[in-house]
Amino acid sequence: NAGVMQNPRHLVRRRGQEARLRCSPMKGHSHVYWYRQLPEEGLKFMVYLQKENIIDESGMPKERFSAEFPKEGPSILRIQQVVRGDSAAYFCASSPSTGDFSGNTIYFGEGSWLTVV
Amino acid sequence: DAKTTQPPSMDCAEGRAANLPCNHSTISGNEYVYWYRQIHSQGPQYIIHGLKNNETNEMASLIITEDRKSSTLILPHATLRDTAVYYCIVRVFGAAGNKLTFGGGTRVLVKP
Repeated sequence: NAGVMQNPRHLVRRRGQEARLRCSPMKGHSHVYWYRQLPEEGLKFMVYLQKENIIDESGMPKERFSAEFPKEGPSILRIQQVVRGDSAAYFCASSPSTGDFSGNTIYFGEGSWLTVV
Repeated sequence: DAKTTQPPSMDCAEGRAANLPCNHSTISGNEYVYWYRQIHSQGPQYIIHGLKNNETNEMASLIITEDRKSSTLILPHATLRDTAVYYCIVRVFGAAGNKLTFGGGTRVLVKP
């Protein structure tokens, strides 16, 4: 069973360009989370999605950032008009349905490293 | 979600047990204790979780006090590859509360 797959692993963008990061959750998982880790800082929650729905976007910057998790295909984190401060590692995670309280586990991908030049 | 308190760093000798403490004095009855670690330049890796009882798996053991106000993660035989930042997280379930909130963690350095 493949883990959470993220691509690209490394992405370089010039200021003002768009960055698209993709995340395929583990098989059978319907919940996706995005986290950002700035250099030498901790992991910060950005957004939590279920298929076709954004459940919690309390950590998303108000402008330029958006996320989706369509019915078919991977989840996409989109950053428009990137700036140098967007340079960071972006981690995607997934979990199965939270229908029970047995302790469903969230699993992380290996991250996408965005460098803005 | 309840907050956790961990020492910022600790050293451990290779081959010895590493005992990582975590305080979560405001934990609620429906909150689980989760442990993750992040090795440099990698994604966070799930280690173990528990609610009330002690838990053990192939990676570690989790000891939760009877009052659930603190816990200890035990790596039985630390290796150099266990050098990482270890995060203790309490997590409540609910429609909007399913995410993990990471604190500063404990930076563990395993020395030869």
